[in-house]
Amino acid sequence: ELKVEQNPLFLSMQEGKNYTIYCNYSTTSDRLYWYRQDPGKSLESLFVLLSNGAVKQEGRLMASLDTKARLSTLHITAAVHDLSATYFCAVGNIGGGTSGTYKYIFGTGTRLKVLA
Amino acid sequence: NAGVMQNPRHLVRRRGQEARLRCSPMKGHSHVYWYRQLPEEGLKFMVYLQKENIIDESGMPKERFSAEFPKEGPSILRIQQVVRGDSAAYFCASSPRDRYNEQFFGPGTRLTVL
Repeated sequence: ELKVEQNPLFLSMQEGKNYTIYCNYSTTSDRLYWYRQDPGKSLESLFVLLSNGAVKQEGRLMASLDTKARLSTLHITAAVHDLSATYFCAVGNIGGGTSGTYKYIFGTGTRLKVLA
Repeated sequence: NAGVMQNPRHLVRRRGQEARLRCSPMKGHSHVYWYRQLPEEGLKFMVYLQKENIIDESGMPKERFSAEFPKEGPSILRIQQVVRGDSAAYFCASSPRDRYNEQFFGPGTRLTVL
């Protein structure tokens, strides 16, 4: 069974600290997406990672993808309260190449709370 | 270019009633996906449609749930005889033709079954 696991599930951190959220998946894929969701809201796209070794940064967030290890990370630098939200990774093109599936499989989510 | 539109945003139904959720994809997008998010959980794939075709419905419950994407008009997710366990947020996403294109998500419909 395909699994996309995130850890930690809950993260409470002080402002100014750094931390990393991990996303492990159990099958071949070459597309990895990170989203942010605020309570009661839709998904906000953060990063689209399309190849092994891809690294993208936006503000205090940086995401990377290692397709061989089937691992993506979302690193938070010097956290601020506004980053409090739930973060999801999603795996796409499951199976890889030109015969992969269209659907996304989402991780369990990491609920981040940044304390002032 | 307007984003993915869903309506209604909130829907309240009593047990046994029918729920109809609508999704209009982004202009130029011919692929539609429905996902369900139960409280405190991640999104789960339900169904993938192209115009007039259901391509993958592997995530749809076997009974009471159906989806369509007609030649004209929005995609519809229909839930018959709703039960309390159907209470969830239902998100629609759309993408252009190619499998490598990113899916863009709508604001969701939050269904509450009393």
